[in-house]
Amino acid sequence: GNSVTQMEGPVTLSEEAFLTINCTYTATGYPSLFWYVQYPGEGLQLLLKATKADDKGSNKGFEATYRKETTSFHLEKGSVQVSDSAVYFCALRISGGYNKLIFGAGTRLAVHP
Amino acid sequence: DTAVSQTPKYLVTQMGNDKSIKCEQNLGHDTMYWYKQDSKKFLKIMFSYNNKELIINETVPNRFSPKSPDKAHLNLHINSLELGDSAVYFCASSQTREGMSKNIQYFGAGTRLSVL
Repeated sequence: GNSVTQMEGPVTLSEEAFLTINCTYTATGYPSLFWYVQYPGEGLQLLLKATKADDKGSNKGFEATYRKETTSFHLEKGSVQVSDSAVYFCALRISGGYNKLIFGAGTRLAVHP
Repeated sequence: DTAVSQTPKYLVTQMGNDKSIKCEQNLGHDTMYWYKQDSKKFLKIMFSYNNKELIINETVPNRFSPKSPDKAHLNLHINSLELGDSAVYFCASSQTREGMSKNIQYFGAGTRLSVL
């Protein structure tokens, strides 16, 4: 079946540290891949996406590359800020699946000054 | 202007009661969704409507009944509430027509349901 696996959190970093949140997927066909972010008390917001192999999605200093050979879509940021503290969700969408998103379990990031 | 709005934000109720959560979007989207986020933050789709037609119906107890009076609204009614229904419920919307935001889902802020 289709599924997404994310590294377990919480991830605790100091400000300006390098961030990696791992995400791997299992899917039939060629999915589109997404990272969503949920700030405390808010709904999910799309952070970035990639629709085909080797695409790189980027936004707000975050980036992730669609790696078909390793079925991965790891999220990275070179220098995190306290304001990046949130829960990050990796998700996939299968084409022809009525736009159904399948989410990973989420990874909580806490950034300290 | 809130793009996807849900009411209420918090809902505390007793087991066995019937309750509704409302969702409205002002983005002109044609598709709406309901998701359930459990206590471990795991997020799973429940239903989706496209132009008021049900297109996704995951394995959800039939105590849950979505209703879409028009494209801008998708309400969730829950009968005979159980303890296990306690969760945060998110509404989302998207559009199927061509454009930069095609199929991108926009989420509401969530409704925290606590069943006592």
